[in-house]
Amino acid sequence: QSALTQPASVSGSPGQSITISCTGSSGDVGGYNFVSWYRQHPGKVPQLMIYDVSKRPSGISNRFSGSKSGNTASLTISGLQAEDEADYYCSSYTSSSSVVFGGGTKLTVL
Amino acid sequence: QVQLQESGPGRMKPAETLSLTCTVSGSSVSSGFYWGWIRQPPGKGLEWIGSIFQTGSTYYSPSLKSRVTFSLDTSKNQFSLKLTSVTAADTAVYYCARGYSSLDVWGKGTTVTVSS
Repeated sequence: QSALTQPASVSGSPGQSITISCTGSSGDVGGYNFVSWYRQHPGKVPQLMIYDVSKRPSGISNRFSGSKSGNTASLTISGLQAEDEADYYCSSYTSSSSVVFGGGTKLTVL
Repeated sequence: QVQLQESGPGRMKPAETLSLTCTVSGSSVSSGFYWGWIRQPPGKGLEWIGSIFQTGSTYYSPSLKSRVTFSLDTSKNQFSLKLTSVTAADTAVYYCARGYSSLDVWGKGTTVTVSS
């Protein structure tokens, strides 16, 4: 099972918006609405930011939004803040009843 | 609130069997949720190991399926992982979490180092 494809790094200035892509196949991202996004600060535990493509868990800022088109899911962060600097991982349910993660994207706030 | 705490051996030798336990507080492992394991090798990304439901139904990563077994202990409100024939490639921080396709509550993680 291949990992989902994410850009290794993205960057943006405070207040700007950025989008992180997550590309899979029809057997995972494209076939199911079970894409999640996690934020992980260095040395910390991953935190669920988006689930089921576009739903936000309680307590997560509406600056975070998710979407999907075909085999590619996206996480958009608007109004970038210094605290958003972290690693971001996508994941998807797959046709083999398993879950696959993306390789991770390092977000730098300039 | 729901809290999860992993416990494990810390260090182990190649070919041994890794046993990890996750103790759940603030919720019951029989409360209708899935419970999962994820690992993260040093400096690398997250890898899903699998999930278990309250019925005992299990879902494993295809790449680890031949070596991994999950179980539930409802009397202790715990769930566990066994990974056989470990190698240095199994060195990682191991997390337990609540969920299956999405993981909303995570333990703090436990580091497992495999070295001769």
